Amino acid sequence: DSGVTQTPKHLITATGQRVTLRCSPRSGDLSVYWYQQSLDQGLQFLIHYYNGEERAKGNILERFSAQQFPDLHSELNLSSLELGDSALYFCASSVDLAGGPGDEQFFGPGTRLTVL
Amino acid sequence: AQKVTQAQTEISVVEKEDVTLDCVYETRDTTYYLFWYKQPPSGELVFLIRRNSFDEQNEISGRYSWNFQKSTSSFNFTITASQVVDSAVYFCALSEDNYGQNFVFGPGTRLSVLP
Repeated sequence: DSGVTQTPKHLITATGQRVTLRCSPRSGDLSVYWYQQSLDQGLQFLIHYYNGEERAKGNILERFSAQQFPDLHSELNLSSLELGDSALYFCASSVDLAGGPGDEQFFGPGTRLTVL
Repeated sequence: AQKVTQAQTEISVVEKEDVTLDCVYETRDTTYYLFWYKQPPSGELVFLIRRNSFDEQNEISGRYSWNFQKSTSSFNFTITASQVVDSAVYFCALSEDNYGQNFVFGPGTRLSVLP
């Protein structure tokens, strides 16, 4: 158990809908990262938040948005869903001490999103 | 654009053999970070290592070792005396900085360790 939790584990929805994926980092970790894994695109980095602020943005579609709340949990919002958004969405957390070794990432179990 | 190539799609070895997974990267940045991740059949992702471009020392962690060579833009991963539990897909990745800027993954190498 990495200590990172993601809910829900599975989500089935229809095209055009909107969903919210939730990630709770390990206690004390300030960074949250989101990744998408699909058969077509492989693994892709989506976005990184540190202590509530966006730090880096990857291949995140405009239909997707994320935020990190004061209690450090993060949510990934996916809207106007398309079939191609079906994927496994992982979040990871790290302590992310600047210049230090504390940037080992710990991954949650993932949320499997199926868009029908 | 940054790119990571893992030319070996699948590798099969017999338990106790040594195996090297290749990773070749492309970047124009002088500062960058390289990563390896493991994804066992159960599906979770496991972070294995992060290395910055200024540190070319090889890293050893138990049966795992990493060989970083800037001259050939490679960051290869070797498992010594492989075990069945090492069976997984292994991903190499490259980032422009420590936060994920221009972060790209390779396609992965599926390693099967046979008993």
